[in-house]
Amino acid sequence: DAGVTQSPTHLIKTRGQHVTLRCSPISGHKSVSWYQQVLGQGPQFIFQYYEKEERGRGNFPDRFSARQFPNYSSELNVNALLLGDSALYLCASSIQGRNTDTQYFGPGTRLTVL
Amino acid sequence: AQSVTQLGSHVSVSEGALVLLRCNYSSSVPPYLFWYVQYPNQGLQLLLKYTSAATLVKGINGFEAEFKKSETSFHLTKPSAHMSDAAEYFCAVRDYTGGFKTIFGAGTRLFVKA
Repeated sequence: DAGVTQSPTHLIKTRGQHVTLRCSPISGHKSVSWYQQVLGQGPQFIFQYYEKEERGRGNFPDRFSARQFPNYSSELNVNALLLGDSALYLCASSIQGRNTDTQYFGPGTRLTVL
Repeated sequence: AQSVTQLGSHVSVSEGALVLLRCNYSSSVPPYLFWYVQYPNQGLQLLLKYTSAATLVKGINGFEAEFKKSETSFHLTKPSAHMSDAAEYFCAVRDYTGGFKTIFGAGTRLFVKA
């Protein structure tokens, strides 16, 4: 079975632009979470979606938004990009988003903001 | 709120030597704890998880971790290091507040010398 997939793999943007990152969860998984990993740090939680509803939000500005589609795939949108948004963006899926569920991570999207 | 602290940003061992990566947690409720590994330019792979069953948890690739409530620790060990173990290791705890989120430590880079 395919794991979590993310697209694109890499992208380069300039300050002030907008970016959309995409994630497809493992088949049968209904919960998707997004994390930001700045170089040299651990991943930081951004959002969690379950059954197309936002269930959790981390300490990120309103420039960050996300949504989940009926097929459980998800998009992360970032507006008005800043240099500090340069990071690896990770998507993770789990079956239901229960506390004991295992999260499976995708390979990430490397975003560079110039 | 839940948190984890990884002691040592870098650990270096010789091939065949014991691997010990330290993690201490802070939690006001029984924690769910995880260890993940990240190879260069890749996403996170789950090594093992503790969800209040056996205190000694065995994972993949010969790794194991012991949950010690009295010491609030969840250290990761492997009896004999292999060159392929060189990677970044993250200790993490499931946070119950504000959705299904995982809080990661800052990571420990493991170097394995021939």
